[in-house]
Amino acid sequence: EAGVAQSPRYKIIEKRQSVAFWCNPISGHATLYWYQQILGQGPKLLIQFQNNGVVDDSQLPKDRFSAERLKGVDSTLKIQPAKLEDSAVYLCASSLVSSPIYEQYFGPGTRLTVT
Amino acid sequence: DAKTTQPNSMESNEEEPVHLPCNHSTISGTDYIHWYRQLPSQGPEYVIHGLTSNVNNRMASLAIAEDRKSSTLILHRATLRDAAVYYCISTGANNLFFGTGTRLTVIP
Repeated sequence: EAGVAQSPRYKIIEKRQSVAFWCNPISGHATLYWYQQILGQGPKLLIQFQNNGVVDDSQLPKDRFSAERLKGVDSTLKIQPAKLEDSAVYLCASSLVSSPIYEQYFGPGTRLTVT
Repeated sequence: DAKTTQPNSMESNEEEPVHLPCNHSTISGTDYIHWYRQLPSQGPEYVIHGLTSNVNNRMASLAIAEDRKSSTLILHRATLRDAAVYYCISTGANNLFFGTGTRLTVIP
């Protein structure tokens, strides 16, 4: 079974530029998550999708971050404009359904450096 | 979701058992206890989860206190590949709120 795919793996941009990350979840997984992990901290949930609908985006800085999951499969996370404090690893995860009895599968992450 | 408390770091000798503790004193009756681990430069990886009873799988065992206010992740024989940050999460939804976890160092 193929895992969660993310691209790019690394990205370096200057502040005020824009950047987009892509995620392809495990086939058949209805729930998709984006997390932000700042160095030395645990991952923090940014947004959760159930199919192509948003379930929870309470932690997403909506003035600069946006995410979409068209057709309920792939997802993109965009930052525009980027700030220095956005430097982090952005992790995508998926699970079969949104339930605490189902595990989440994480991708390798995209490491973003904002200079 | 209940807050969890874990030691910042622990050490273990290779091939010895490891007991990783977690306190979740404010857990509610429907909250599950999840454990994930994160190896260097990788995304978190599911280890095990449980509700009330002790659980075993190929990776580890989860021992849950009778009052559910604490739990222990047990790695039966630590290997160098088990060196990672271990996160204990208590949640009633499928939102995982990660703390800073326990960094496990395995000594050869």
